[in-house]
Amino acid sequence: DAGVIQSPRHEVTEMGQEVTLRCKPISGHDYLFWYRQTMMRGLELLIYFNNNVPIDDSGMPEDRFSAKMPNASFSTLKIQPSEPRDSAVYFCASSFGQGNTEAFFGQGTRLTVV
Amino acid sequence: GESVGLHLPTLSVQEGDNSIINCAYSNSASDYFIWYKQESGKGPQFIIDIRSNMDKRQGQRVTVLLNKTVKHLSLQIAATQPGDSAVYFCAEPRSLMDTGRRALTFGSGTRLQVQP
Repeated sequence: DAGVIQSPRHEVTEMGQEVTLRCKPISGHDYLFWYRQTMMRGLELLIYFNNNVPIDDSGMPEDRFSAKMPNASFSTLKIQPSEPRDSAVYFCASSFGQGNTEAFFGQGTRLTVV
Repeated sequence: GESVGLHLPTLSVQEGDNSIINCAYSNSASDYFIWYKQESGKGPQFIIDIRSNMDKRQGQRVTVLLNKTVKHLSLQIAATQPGDSAVYFCAEPRSLMDTGRRALTFGSGTRLQVQP
């Protein structure tokens, strides 16, 4: 397996634009996580899914953020409208089983909102 | 537990020396811990894990020690190499909402710099 695949690797967008980040988890994994990493706040959990169903979105910062998982092999994180403070590295991770097992991370998407 | 801040603690060691990276956690009910390594420009990568019914676990050149009495976790790297230079995170599963399920939450990390 190629691991967790995220796209794009880098995204530069203007404030107010819609941004969509994509993730393909490892085949067979039933949990998918979205994290955001910044210097100020470190690695924060935004939302996670189990069997394509959102379980906990309490980490999503605002209504401008939304995430979907239409099937077991694809998830998106959307920011609309984007703001400069959304600039961060966004990671997707997947695991087989909840919490008490290793989560595998993608390479991340570096988002810059200007 | 987690902390928020601009500055990562940094540990600087000489190549060949042993490194010890520490982590404190706050939840005495935590039963599983993982150490991750994050190299520049990459996602976190699993190193080693430990369950709370153990106080020590060894891997290849790495050892994790768990002291439940003081809620402290450490990662020991033997014969540190330049390729070990990275940020190291401890992580534990937490239930953020009353869902009965948990997700990994991460500490603020420690930067390890290996001097050749």
